[in-house]
Amino acid sequence: NAGVMQNPRHLVRRRGQEARLRCSPMKGHSHVYWYRQLPEEGLKFMVYLQKENIIDESGMPKERFSAEFPKEGPSILRIQQVVRGDSAAYFCASSPRQGVDTGELFFGEGSRLTVL
Amino acid sequence: LAKTTQPISMDSYEGQEVNITCSHNNIATNDYITWYQQFPSQGPRFIIQGYKTKVTNEVASLFIPADRKSSTLSLPRVSLSDTAVYYCLVGDGGAAGNKLTFGGGTRVLVKP
Repeated sequence: NAGVMQNPRHLVRRRGQEARLRCSPMKGHSHVYWYRQLPEEGLKFMVYLQKENIIDESGMPKERFSAEFPKEGPSILRIQQVVRGDSAAYFCASSPRQGVDTGELFFGEGSRLTVL
Repeated sequence: LAKTTQPISMDSYEGQEVNITCSHNNIATNDYITWYQQFPSQGPRFIIQGYKTKVTNEVASLFIPADRKSSTLSLPRVSLSDTAVYYCLVGDGGAAGNKLTFGGGTRVLVKP
């Protein structure tokens, strides 16, 4: 059973370009979370999605960032017109359901974005 | 979501027991306590979760006092490969889903 798959693992973009990060959750998981981690810092929640729905995007910057989790295919985190401050590791996590006893999130290996 | 406080770093030696205490004074009734481990350049990995008293698995033990305002992760007989950042989180997995809030974590360095 494959784990959470993220790609690309490394992405280099110049300022002003677009970055698209993809996440395929574990089989049977319908809940996806995106986190961002700056060097030497903890992970910061960005967005929580279920199939075709954004449940909580309170951690997403108001501009340039968007996320989707379509009925078919991976979840995508899209960053438009990237700036150097967007350079970070972006982690995707999935879980099979929500509930008080499901604190376990399964994380991918992350996508490391470098903006030149 | 309850805020957690844990030491920034801890050093240990191979074969010793490592105990990391996390404070969560405003933990809510429905909140569970969860610990994750993160190695450099990897995603966090679930270690253990508990609600009260003691929980033990093949990797660690989690001690939670009756007031639940703190918890202690215990790693028995650590090895060099246990060098990592350990995160303490609280959350109820309810309306917010499993939106767990990560703090700065505790950087554990295991020396030979």
